[in-house]
Amino acid sequence: EVQLVESGGGLVKPGGSLRLSCAASGLTLNTYSMDWVRQAPGKGLEWVSSISSSSSYIYYADSVKGRFTISRDNAKNSLYLQMNSLRADDTAVYYCARVGDVGAEYFQHWGQGTLVTVSS
Amino acid sequence: SYVLTQPPSVSVAPGKTARITCGGNIIGSKSVHWYQQKPGQAPVLVIYSDIDRPSGIPERFSGSNSANTATLTISRVEAGDEADYYCQLWDSYSDRYVFGTGTKVTVL
Repeated sequence: EVQLVESGGGLVKPGGSLRLSCAASGLTLNTYSMDWVRQAPGKGLEWVSSISSSSSYIYYADSVKGRFTISRDNAKNSLYLQMNSLRADDTAVYYCARVGDVGAEYFQHWGQGTLVTVSS
Repeated sequence: SYVLTQPPSVSVAPGKTARITCGGNIIGSKSVHWYQQKPGQAPVLVIYSDIDRPSGIPERFSGSNSANTATLTISRVEAGDEADYYCQLWDSYSDRYVFGTGTKVTVL
């Protein structure tokens, strides 16, 4: 079965840190760009960050730049998101997503999401 | 930053056609993709590169893109099509992915 599985979400206080992980099974990640997309409760989808297959190109949304760090371990077929200086408006379900093809700019494979709640 | 504007809601009777628009500056020059999201579930890609359907997506789903508007069309709407729909593109000017504001499709 092809799947992406996120983990690491939970409740954290404002200013705290959290590290999300995304593991793939039945799906190769190492030749594809990978991304994190989030969705605040009752809101729309918001792209967070993108990393190229070799980690040479990394991009962030303005809302997380300087606080979040995306990384990957191709040997482990895994993706990560280190989130620091968390704020209440970072509360969301975080999805990892893989592009549909090498060079594609759309997301064909999604995890089920992990909930991050930032609250005191 | 690039903005994609969608109508908040679209209502359609079963068997009829739903059209969901996605407005953006000269969006016709960009490649647009569409996702369906049902409550409590991850998004599902339904149209990519303006007009292409992933395997497993019914032919009832089609897309178009021209000038300042991209459109997702759902023909012969079924109750199971009730969901939120998002358009998306890569903005090469700012090196950012952009999602539309989302449209809730209600089947009457």
